Amino acid sequence: SQTIHQWPATLVQPVGSPLSLECTVEGTSNPNLYWYRQAAGRGLQLLFYSVGIGQISSEVPQNLSASRPQDRQFILSSKKLLLSDSGFYLCAWSVPDWYSNQPQHFGDGTRLSIL
Amino acid sequence: GQQLNQSPQSMFIQEGEDVSMNCTSSSIFNTWLWYKQEPGEGPVLLIALYKAGELTSNGRLTAQFGITRKDSFLNISASIPSDVGIYFCAGHPNTGTASKLTFGTGTRLQVTL
Repeated sequence: SQTIHQWPATLVQPVGSPLSLECTVEGTSNPNLYWYRQAAGRGLQLLFYSVGIGQISSEVPQNLSASRPQDRQFILSSKKLLLSDSGFYLCAWSVPDWYSNQPQHFGDGTRLSIL
Repeated sequence: GQQLNQSPQSMFIQEGEDVSMNCTSSSIFNTWLWYKQEPGEGPVLLIALYKAGELTSNGRLTAQFGITRKDSFLNISASIPSDVGIYFCAGHPNTGTASKLTFGTGTRLQVTL
């Protein structure tokens, strides 16, 4: 069966520090991968998605970037964090695009607090 | 972009009551999905719907894909305390990228004993 892992679970960082959040998927090949941000009590905002290694689509202009160095690894980064980057970050995967309109499956998230 | 209107925003019910929530769109969707999110965790897929008119159950949960393809509802029968959480609808718009989901804003469910 497929599993998705995100780490760390919680992170407290000072303003201006760098960020690296990692997500890995097991049990499937060539998944679509997604990063979302969720503000407290709010819905999910899609930040990035990837349909293959090195292929990243950015949904909103922001202080963050994403990379996919391996098939089942997705990384969310920032060079200098802002206060507004605080939130709950979720990674998700789905089966590849040729199986269109498939559900996404989420990790347990990273709670990021910027001080 | 596409918007999903989810209602109600929150519900306070007593244990044992039935719950109904819905999701509507101004445009056609190819799939409807229902997720539940508990505090501090990621959303978990409850039910996936792929055809207009489809009615699917998962235990005490029942969801339907509206005939017009512009709405969906989720019912929970005989609620229990562990039903507490935020329920999100989501779907693939007919005119959107196959990879991307549109999410509703969520219905927060509280169950009292």
